Amino acid sequence: DAKTTQPPSMDCAEGRAANLPCNHSTISGNEYVYWYRQIHSQGPQYIIHGLKNNETNEMASLIITEDRKSSTLILPHATLRDTAVYYCIVRAFNNFNKFYFGSGTKLNVKP
Amino acid sequence: NAGVTQTPKFRVLKTGQSMTLLCAQDMNHEYMYWYRQDPGMGLRLIHYSVGEGTTAKGEVPDGYNVSRLKKQNFLLGLESAAPSQTSVYFCASTGAGHSTDTQYFGPGTRLTVL
Repeated sequence: DAKTTQPPSMDCAEGRAANLPCNHSTISGNEYVYWYRQIHSQGPQYIIHGLKNNETNEMASLIITEDRKSSTLILPHATLRDTAVYYCIVRAFNNFNKFYFGSGTKLNVKP
Repeated sequence: NAGVTQTPKFRVLKTGQSMTLLCAQDMNHEYMYWYRQDPGMGLRLIHYSVGEGTTAKGEVPDGYNVSRLKKQNFLLGLESAAPSQTSVYFCASTGAGHSTDTQYFGPGTRLTVL
């Protein structure tokens, strides 16, 4: 599975959009981009995933560049409860759904 | 649905002691996983199972054994605990019906080895 690079930490003002970048320059054509978050050492929580098209759900939007070498997770209106570590994961098709977590980005949402 | 549950939530062991962590899921998932998470780091895959009676090694399998005797349960064993195994252990499960099935995680077990 391709490696990912994320900034170790980011700050965001409450109510503003949080844009979390992820670099996955070695991604292969059959690899998906997943985003999970972990709030205060709880079990990781699924946010969103995509292959090459932009995706949106009730939690967030995922923007994947045309060359698929990077992506951005967007939380449109960050709240204090969104303070967490966000993990960007690249996962290959048909590898028994195994995930390899990096160190993630600690998002600090401030009042 | 309870989802993924883990037993116990906390445990303190002395070096050399053994213990078993239990993971249970009620979603009829085929695949199950055990991860460990050390302070300030991401999760690392220890072992996984793609079905009842099958197990496979992940990134960091040394010092651990696993068993999947029933589809809903996945056990993680430490035969002789070491301080380096102090960590938070997470279990996860996912279906095998689609390539993009997501993983659902349990609340974690905090293990300290003295």
